[in-house]
Amino acid sequence: SQQGEEDPQALSIQEGENATMNCSYKTSINNLQWYRQNSGRGLVHLILIRSNEREKHSGRLRVTLDTSKKSSSLLITASRAADTASYFCATDATGGFKTIFGAGTRLFVKA
Amino acid sequence: GAVVSQHPSRVICKSGTSVKIECRSLDFQATTMFWYRQFPKQSLMLMATSNEGSKATYEQGVEKDKFLINHASLTLSTLTVTSAHPEDSSFYICSARRQGTNTGELFFGEGSRLTVL
Repeated sequence: SQQGEEDPQALSIQEGENATMNCSYKTSINNLQWYRQNSGRGLVHLILIRSNEREKHSGRLRVTLDTSKKSSSLLITASRAADTASYFCATDATGGFKTIFGAGTRLFVKA
Repeated sequence: GAVVSQHPSRVICKSGTSVKIECRSLDFQATTMFWYRQFPKQSLMLMATSNEGSKATYEQGVEKDKFLINHASLTLSTLTVTSAHPEDSSFYICSARRQGTNTGELFFGEGSRLTVL
C-alpha cells in the first residue's frame, strides 16, 4: 500500500532550472528517504532524513521534512538532462520495518 | 555501495508456465529482502517481505500460492510466479537491507520484466 501522495505527478523543466517535488505521508515515521528510478531500472537511494531532522543537503539535492505536516520536499538545483527520471519518497514507519513508497514524480529535464 | 543482482532482467513465457526470479545481495548479507511489483508509470507495490530461514510475509491481496517466495540464505531470495497468466505481466523488483538493520536505506535490484503470452 502506498504511504501517501507526491506532487506534482509530472514535472517538465529546462536544464539549469530548479525542480521541487513534494511528498506527504500518513503515519509517524522513523525516517523518510528519496529514491530515483530511471525508466525500466531499479531504484537508487538518494538521501535519508531522520524524523528529528528538518533539512539535509547532498550535492545538488536539498531535502526538508516537516513532521507536523507529515510532508517532505526534494529540491534539485541546477537541473541537468541526466536528472530526467522518476523520484519516489519512501517512509519507514515508527515501530515497523517495511518501507512504503509514494506515488512518485516523473521529472523531465529538457536540454 | 552495496550491490543487489536480480536475474533474469527480462523473461517471456507462455501462459501456464512458472517463472523464477532471483535476487542476490553480492557484497553484503541481507536478513530481509522485499519484493515489489510495478505497473507502468506507477509506484512500487510491496508484495511480500522475505525473511531468511522463515516464511515470507505477504501483503494483503497478494496470493501466496501464486507468488512463491523462498529465502534460503542470507544472500539469496527467489520469487516464483506459478502458472503465470497474461495479467501477471509486470515489472518485478527486489530490494534488500543489510543484516542487522531494520530501517533505512534499501538496495535495489535492476528489476525483472515479465511478459506472459
